[in-house]
Parts: sequence; C-alpha cells; structure tokens
Amino acid sequence: DQQVKQNSPSLSVQEGRISILNCDYTNSMFDYFLWYKKYPAEGPTFLISISSIKDKNEDGRFTVFLNKSAKHLSLHIVPSQPGDSAVYFCAAKGGSQGNLIFGKGTKLSVKP
Amino acid sequence: DTGVSQNPRHKITKRGQNVTFRCDPISEHNRLYWYRQTLGQGPEFLTYFQNEAQLEKSRLLSDRFSAERPKGSFSTLEIQRTEQGDSAMYLCASSLKGPVYEQYFGPGTRLTVT
Repeated sequence: DQQVKQNSPSLSVQEGRISILNCDYTNSMFDYFLWYKKYPAEGPTFLISISSIKDKNEDGRFTVFLNKSAKHLSLHIVPSQPGDSAVYFCAAKGGSQGNLIFGKGTKLSVKP
Repeated sequence: DTGVSQNPRHKITKRGQNVTFRCDPISEHNRLYWYRQTLGQGPEFLTYFQNEAQLEKSRLLSDRFSAERPKGSFSTLEIQRTEQGDSAMYLCASSLKGPVYEQYFGPGTRLTVT
C-alpha cells in the first residue's frame, strides 16, 4: 500500500514555462516532506523541503506548497530550464528516526 | 569532503555469491541510511544507523542482508547467497541529527545478479 503517490509518471513542459509536479500522501501523521531530483546514474539530490506547520516554502525557482487537509503537496519550478529535466521524487519523513518514504517519481522533460 | 561516496559503483555477481558494498558518509553526519531502488520505483528504506548503533531495520531486510557501521564512520552492506531479485540500485544517504531531516545521497551501487 503506497503511502506517497505521484500519479503522473511523466510531464513535458516548454522552457520558460512553469512546471508543476504533484504528490499525494495517505498518512496524516507525516510531518515533514521533501523533494529530490535524480539524474540517470546518480543518486537523488535534495531540492527543497517543507514542515507540516507551513503551507509554502520557496527557494529560488523552486516552491513547494502543502495542503494538509487534502494531503497534497506540489513542487513549482519557475521558469523551467532544460537542465531541470530529470526524475523528481516526493518523500515524506516516515518515522521518528527520519527514514524517508518515497513516491515512484515523475519524469520531467523541459523542451527548448 | 565532497559528499557521500559509495563503492563499488557497479557489481555483477552470480546467484548464490556474497557481495559487500561500502558507504562513506559526509564526515560530520552521524546518521546513515541504506535504501534500495528498483526500476520504476522510488528508493525504499532498508536500515538506519545513528553513529555505530543500528536503530531501525525494514521488513525488506531479510536474514541474508546485514549492515554494519563499526566505528560510526563508514558502513558496509553485505548480501549473502544473492538471488536475482536482489538486482537493484543500493543507495546510501547521510544526515545530521534532527530536527533537520534532509538526507544526502551517494551515487549508489548497481547490483546485477545473473
């Protein structure tokens, strides 16, 4: 039973436009969420995180929004660049020790 | 220190053989995690160390898997009697103790069991 779901396996966006990646979760006890980017043959790279006490966190071109009532978070990338093309994983902190529970990922393609 | 390192990057082994992977975390990080990732899936948690103590193990970690972090620095993950289903990317991550929960991942070890 997947606790973190990324329902869109892929997303294609034009350079300069906004990319919106979505993530849903089922466990209301989750209190910390993270986004990672992964290029082929590399490990995931941390992008941005958000605590459940906030509803928005921004870092440069990346903004994460959290809607606790809907158990939904999204990552906005503005403006999108070709170098943003990668697989994006949403993750939730799963326990007191901090292990992460990941979604299956969304492959973002930014076309020039 | 440039980040988490893992060795080897690739390992091909025959079914039934034992394999061992090594992870060197970021030096000031006292938490170390192992994950496994298969095609089309996100990383799945295997086990966690705080310093040298192994504090949590996933049910995914069968009896054939063992992990150590003897001096609270590097860690090893051993798989005994490998099976084809063990073929995956094995990822190591490290972090500081909470309340910061960001984990920093190494490049992974790709295991292929033939």
